[in-house]
Amino acid sequence: DGGITQSPKYLFRKEGQNVTLSCEQNLNHDAMYWYRQDPGQGLRLIYYSQIVNDFQKGDIAEGYSVSREKKESFPLTVTSAQKNPTAFYLCASSIIGGRSYNEQFFGPGTRLTVL
Amino acid sequence: GDSVTQMEGPVTLSEEAFLTINCTYTATGYPSLFWYVQYPGEGLQLLLKATKADDKGSNKGFEATYRKETTSFHLEKGSVQVSDSAVYFCALQTDSWGKLQFGAGTQVVVTP
Repeated sequence: DGGITQSPKYLFRKEGQNVTLSCEQNLNHDAMYWYRQDPGQGLRLIYYSQIVNDFQKGDIAEGYSVSREKKESFPLTVTSAQKNPTAFYLCASSIIGGRSYNEQFFGPGTRLTVL
Repeated sequence: GDSVTQMEGPVTLSEEAFLTINCTYTATGYPSLFWYVQYPGEGLQLLLKATKADDKGSNKGFEATYRKETTSFHLEKGSVQVSDSAVYFCALQTDSWGKLQFGAGTQVVVTP
């Protein structure tokens, strides 16, 4: 079955440590996205990538970094510079072009708790 | 900038009741509009969409009509079930590459 996998589902880290969240898709989608979800605030875009080896900052990129070395993979690193990293992180992917809209498909999410 | 406003939750209903979740938007141009649903502990799933004015999106008994004159995209279902308990997000998309602008989400709780 095609889809998006995120691992792990729950992640605990000590304050000051960097942590990397995994996102893999086998949908052959060109674009991938990272969102952060906090209670009562909806989803906010952290980074997105439309093509391998290229990515762009979203609305709240400070304290995060990404890489896109393979089409299937878009890992997110939460660095120690992120002031409030505890949140639910969602990865998504979509095709690009060909229609008037682009449906994004979401992974199951990773809940990060920084102690 | 673009924005989406949803009614605050939680919305608590009895099974078989009528559900409405209000959504209004502000956007330049002609956005596509979406409703996503998030079941407990899961990611988001696309529930329905509308890409131009007066389009009606529908799925699983849910409906929403793209009203350009009132900049609204209200979600409705005639008879909810316990399994409809979830958080519902209204979203818009104006960029060709697919950036989504989400509302804050509305939690719906359906009791037997």
